[in-house]
Amino acid sequence: DIQMTQSPSTLSASVGDRVTITCRASQSISSWLAWYQQKPGKAPKLLIYKASSLESGVPSRFSGSGSGTEFTLTISSLQPDDFATYYCQQYNSYLWTFGQGTKVEIK
Amino acid sequence: QVQLQESGPGLVKPSETLSLTCTVSGGSISSYYWSWIRQPAGKGLEWIGRIYTSGSTNYNPSLKSRVTMSVDTSKNQFSLKLSSVTAADTAVYYCARDSRSTGSGKAFDIWGQGTMVTVSS
Repeated sequence: DIQMTQSPSTLSASVGDRVTITCRASQSISSWLAWYQQKPGKAPKLLIYKASSLESGVPSRFSGSGSGTEFTLTISSLQPDDFATYYCQQYNSYLWTFGQGTKVEIK
Repeated sequence: QVQLQESGPGLVKPSETLSLTCTVSGGSISSYYWSWIRQPAGKGLEWIGRIYTSGSTNYNPSLKSRVTMSVDTSKNQFSLKLSSVTAADTAVYYCARDSRSTGSGKAFDIWGQGTMVTVSS
């Protein structure tokens, strides 16, 4: 299995901050990496796919980068609606696996 | 636009079989993979497995011995059965469209709202 490790687990930030979340894969996954946002009681929402492609309708303040084993999700200017938990997911080889999540909290 | 809706019992007894159905509306179920994902309360996401409209499946090895997925293209539905459940199977279960193999190369781009399943006597 490919293990996905996110850091940090929790992040405290203020509105307007630039926020970066890191995801590391235990082996190369090329660019088959997705990022999701999940709010309490809701299903995850796809933000980024193929490491850096922005899903339609997702604000441009979200961006993704990386390839191989190291990936980042960046929120350029944190907005009130962005306080949520973020998950990375590899879909390079079965089985699909998720990171443990990063909770972005209000500072 | 395509929408997914999970349905099934919210309470299942230990050792019995959990059965859920996901109904696809607003589009065809054909030519996509469809996945089941679960999330215990306060925890992360676990991929259970996926099925193609041809019936071809891939299951998480950790659950493979207990999982069966099926698809009914005439009803635009796919289903999950998880046998011999225990309290550890208590979770919110999501169905999702898996677009990895399409030209877009997306991952889980459409999700159902999720359904809570509790395993308890």
